[in-house]
Amino acid sequence: GQNIDQPTEMTATEGAIVQINCTYQTSGFNGLFWYQQHAGEAPTFLSYNVLDGLEEKGRFSSFLSRSKGYSYLLLKELQMKDSASYLCAVQDSNYQLIWGAGTKLIIKP
Amino acid sequence: GAVVSQHPSRVICKSGTSVKIECRSLDFQATTMFWYRQFPKQSLMLMATSNEGSKATYEQGVEKDKFLINHASLTLSTLTVTSAHPEDSSFYICSAKKRGDVDEQFFGPGTRLTVL
Repeated sequence: GQNIDQPTEMTATEGAIVQINCTYQTSGFNGLFWYQQHAGEAPTFLSYNVLDGLEEKGRFSSFLSRSKGYSYLLLKELQMKDSASYLCAVQDSNYQLIWGAGTKLIIKP
Repeated sequence: GAVVSQHPSRVICKSGTSVKIECRSLDFQATTMFWYRQFPKQSLMLMATSNEGSKATYEQGVEKDKFLINHASLTLSTLTVTSAHPEDSSFYICSAKKRGDVDEQFFGPGTRLTVL
């Protein structure tokens, strides 16, 4: 079966750094996405990785290791507005997105 | 940009009635649209994939006669929840892929359905 695992909840302090991990087992791989979702809103796109390595975009970076079926989202200089759920999604061989359950990130002052 | 809208944003209806949700790509042509359902504290669940001019492809366990999908044009897809029941209460989100764009999906703001 297809499976995406990520922690249910994480807590971090404003100004700090947090890493959200995602492991996956899917039928085929055509890229991994990270989305941010605030409560009651639709997801918004953060990053896309299809090759191994680190992609940096401002305060957010995303890493992929295809051989390990592993990715992480790194958030630096945390702000209160970063409190949200972070969803990991893998595009399988049919280009359909398989979603993780999301990691709820709580930022404390 | 790539903007996707949904209407209505929120709907409350009585059990047994039907509800139609519209999904529009405002500034691009979407050959493929997706409908998702999200229950509280759960991941997005794909319900169906809709290609313009053809029948939707439903995921296993999703009743095609209950969730009617129409993708009549390159900018509009509709989801009709027929004979809605309280267990159908959920957050329904559509997304769209641009013509020629293999990867990124652009999401609508979602529609919260509450069935009394």
